[in-house]
Amino acid sequence: DQQVKQNSPSLSVQEGRISILNCDYTNSMFDYFLWYKKYPAEGPTFLISISSIKDKNEDGRFTVFLNKSAKHLSLHIVPSQPGDSAVYFCASNAGGTSYGKLTFGQGTILTVHP
Amino acid sequence: NAGVMQNPRHLVRRRGQEARLRCSPMKGHSHVYWYRQLPEEGLKFMVYLQKENIIDESGMPKERFSAEFPKEGPSILRIQQVVRGDSAAYFCASSELAGAYNEQFFGPGTRLTVL
Repeated sequence: DQQVKQNSPSLSVQEGRISILNCDYTNSMFDYFLWYKKYPAEGPTFLISISSIKDKNEDGRFTVFLNKSAKHLSLHIVPSQPGDSAVYFCASNAGGTSYGKLTFGQGTILTVHP
Repeated sequence: NAGVMQNPRHLVRRRGQEARLRCSPMKGHSHVYWYRQLPEEGLKFMVYLQKENIIDESGMPKERFSAEFPKEGPSILRIQQVVRGDSAAYFCASSELAGAYNEQFFGPGTRLTVL
């Protein structure tokens, strides 16, 4: 039962262009969403989050958009840099808990070419 | 302030042996989460612990797996009688507060290989 889905296993983008990573969820109880970035042989690191009361959150080159009616969120990176090459995971809290029980998508491998 | 520490980073076990994975949370953090990442998959929640208490172990397999977070020392994830399907990366995360919106900081993971 995959409640958070990232349907694109990989994405390749030219340096300086926009990267758009997508994520869909099925559980309407989810009310907080996060993006994590992961390099090989390292743990995930937090990138940006959004609460369900918002539809957009921006932090520097990173913007997350949330479409609650479509149960869809996306991460925009602009401009993309080679150092952004990593695996990106979308995640959500389980909803209904008072602690951070996260549900992750399968991840999207982003490659930014110089 | 050191980050979340996990050891060993790599662990090789033969089928039937025990695997013991350790996690030292960030200083001042008393909430620990364990996640497992199977090949080609995302991270899956296993268990949430506070000091000396297991709060939610709904993601743990019913048999062979156990976790603890003692008053002193690291959190331990123990897998008894390992099988090949246990081969995965195991990540520990810690947070300062318990709330659902508090950031979790992840360790580098332990990569378990079962021969």
